[in-house]
Amino acid sequence: SAVISQKPSRDICQRGTSLTIQCQVDSQVTMMFWYRQQPGQSLTLIATANQGSEATYESGFVIDKFPISRPNLTFSTLTVSNMSPEDSSIYLCSVEDGGQHYNEQFFGPGTRLTVL
Amino acid sequence: AQSVTQPDIHITVSEGASLELRCNYSYGATPYLFWYVQSPGQGLQLLLKYFSGDTLVQGIKGFEAEFKRSQSSFNLRKPSVHWSDAAEYFCAVGPSGGYNKLIFGAGTRLAVHP
Repeated sequence: SAVISQKPSRDICQRGTSLTIQCQVDSQVTMMFWYRQQPGQSLTLIATANQGSEATYESGFVIDKFPISRPNLTFSTLTVSNMSPEDSSIYLCSVEDGGQHYNEQFFGPGTRLTVL
Repeated sequence: AQSVTQPDIHITVSEGASLELRCNYSYGATPYLFWYVQSPGQGLQLLLKYFSGDTLVQGIKGFEAEFKRSQSSFNLRKPSVHWSDAAEYFCAVGPSGGYNKLIFGAGTRLAVHP
């Protein structure tokens, strides 16, 4: 299965600033996903990122707030823009591995974001 | 609307006792079903999955789950819980075929008493 790393693992940011979260995979994958997990809550899909195309955002999430890049098959970034305390969450990336793990998603360790 | 319900927010069991975590789903077609575990400060780890075939699936760490189409359920079970099983458990559904947009339940937090 794919091994996924995220940077940073945690950060504390000021209101109005932006943070870019990196997701690195140890193998080439087609599908990458970004989720948000608000405190004490479940995971909500923010967007799906395919290499070479625009990210597809879920209802309630917009590109201006959460711009995503997917420059190659092993890397993606999610930016949380113009942050407010309501953006305090854990942000997780996941990948669909393909092959024998087709339709399985593997998750990174997450980035814990606190906005003051 | 597609949804996943985990009726139990918190469950406490004694070490060595059996465990069943409930999961019900609402989906337009037969979905793919998953159970994930999240230990404190960790990402999500896949415990097991159901795609088709045998409705009783075995996973890692001694967990199993049974798909019951008539009840739209996919309950997670373990015959004897270990203290290290204390974590949050998430049930998820996704569409069969195509790419896998997962919908997660609210999670069940499991505490294990010695």
